[in-house]
Amino acid sequence: DVKVTQSSRYLVKRTGEKVFLECVQDMDHENMFWYRQDPGLGLRLIYFSYDVKMKEKGDIPEGYSVSREKKERFSLILESASTNQTSMYLCASSLLVQGPSYNEQFFGPGTRLTVL
Amino acid sequence: SQKIEQNSEALNIQEGKTATLTCNYTNYSPAYLQWYRQDPGRGPVFLLLIRENEKEKRKERLKVTFDTTLKQSLFHITASQPADSATYLCAEHNQGGKLIFGQGTELSVKP
Repeated sequence: DVKVTQSSRYLVKRTGEKVFLECVQDMDHENMFWYRQDPGLGLRLIYFSYDVKMKEKGDIPEGYSVSREKKERFSLILESASTNQTSMYLCASSLLVQGPSYNEQFFGPGTRLTVL
Repeated sequence: SQKIEQNSEALNIQEGKTATLTCNYTNYSPAYLQWYRQDPGRGPVFLLLIRENEKEKRKERLKVTFDTTLKQSLFHITASQPADSATYLCAEHNQGGKLIFGQGTELSVKP
């Protein structure tokens, strides 16, 4: 059974702290994504990666960075957490799109981050 | 810019009825549309994908249609059950493996 795991389900941090969110997938997928989900705003893409050490900005990258040193692991870093980064963070992975194949995304369970 | 819209109002229906959720897109014609289910506190789970050259796709009690003229996809759940209660998200496939998600529609099926 395919699986995407995230390091924490719930996390509470203080303003200014550096925060690491870890995501691991066991499906040998090339693509990995980080989203945040907020009421009324839906899922918004922060960053994605289509290969090791490669990254692309999504729609809302400000205040975040990412790291992908190994194919199965994609980390989201909040350099200096702020209260407006309180949100649900979701990691996903998918196969690399080639030709007409589709790219269903597999999501992790999410991390509910609260920044005080 | 690309935009995908779902009815943000919750849909409440009686058990056994057919639920119909709407997804509208603007400014482009996506090659695929995907539908996901999300339960509270959990990540979305893929349900169905429909390509632009497919008018309809079925999976058990689920049916998705894709009307490129109306720029709309409809998601139907027939013989709905309380266990179908969840938020349903549609998403458009972009180049490079990115998905653009709608805000989701919450479905509540009452016994």
